[in-house]
Amino acid sequence: KQEVTQIPAALSVPEGENLVLNCSFTDSAIYNLQWFRQDPGKGLTSLLLIQSSQREQTSGRLNASLDKSSGRSTLYIAASQPGDSATYLCAVRSSGTYKYIFGTGTRLKVLA
Amino acid sequence: NAGVTQTPKFQVLKTGQSMTLQCAQDMNHEYMSWYRQDPGMGLRLIHYSVGAGITDQGEVPNGYNVSRSTTEDFPLRLLSAAPSQTSVYFCASKVEEKLFFGSGTQLSVL
Repeated sequence: KQEVTQIPAALSVPEGENLVLNCSFTDSAIYNLQWFRQDPGKGLTSLLLIQSSQREQTSGRLNASLDKSSGRSTLYIAASQPGDSATYLCAVRSSGTYKYIFGTGTRLKVLA
Repeated sequence: NAGVTQTPKFQVLKTGQSMTLQCAQDMNHEYMSWYRQDPGMGLRLIHYSVGAGITDQGEVPNGYNVSRSTTEDFPLRLLSAAPSQTSVYFCASKVEEKLFFGSGTQLSVL
């Protein structure tokens, strides 16, 4: 059974710092991995999608990497801003299923 | 969250009552799904559908029913609400592997 873990649960950083959020999964037979942002009281917004054949994806100040063999993905946020404050979640779709398994998220606060 | 509409936004039920959470999308997506989000437990998949007339169970299907008679709509039914079903419910559709979420329904069962 696929399990997805995100550590730390919460993170507070000063504005301008580069930071890394972690996502670990137990079954390396994945189809893809997706990173999401969730603002308080809102739904989730897809940030980056990495297919199993890819090693990384980039969008603006965001870069996501994938290492299937070690069961890990990282989301790198460059030059963090207060507007980046939100909860970041990763989700894994395992091979052969239509199910997406989510981590519990990392709550990020960027201080001005 | 454009394209996936959930209603209602808030609902309070008494134990044993039934209700239907509505989800509609206008993007012609084949895949739709329901999640519940509880503090400290992340999002858990309840049911999903890969097209009209096709549904399947997720991680936590007990106490919930779904049907998919059209591509646009994917309602979630609680037949006899229990306090353990107090949660925030999200509907999502998918295209080219990207999930699009609705804004959620906050449900309290007293």
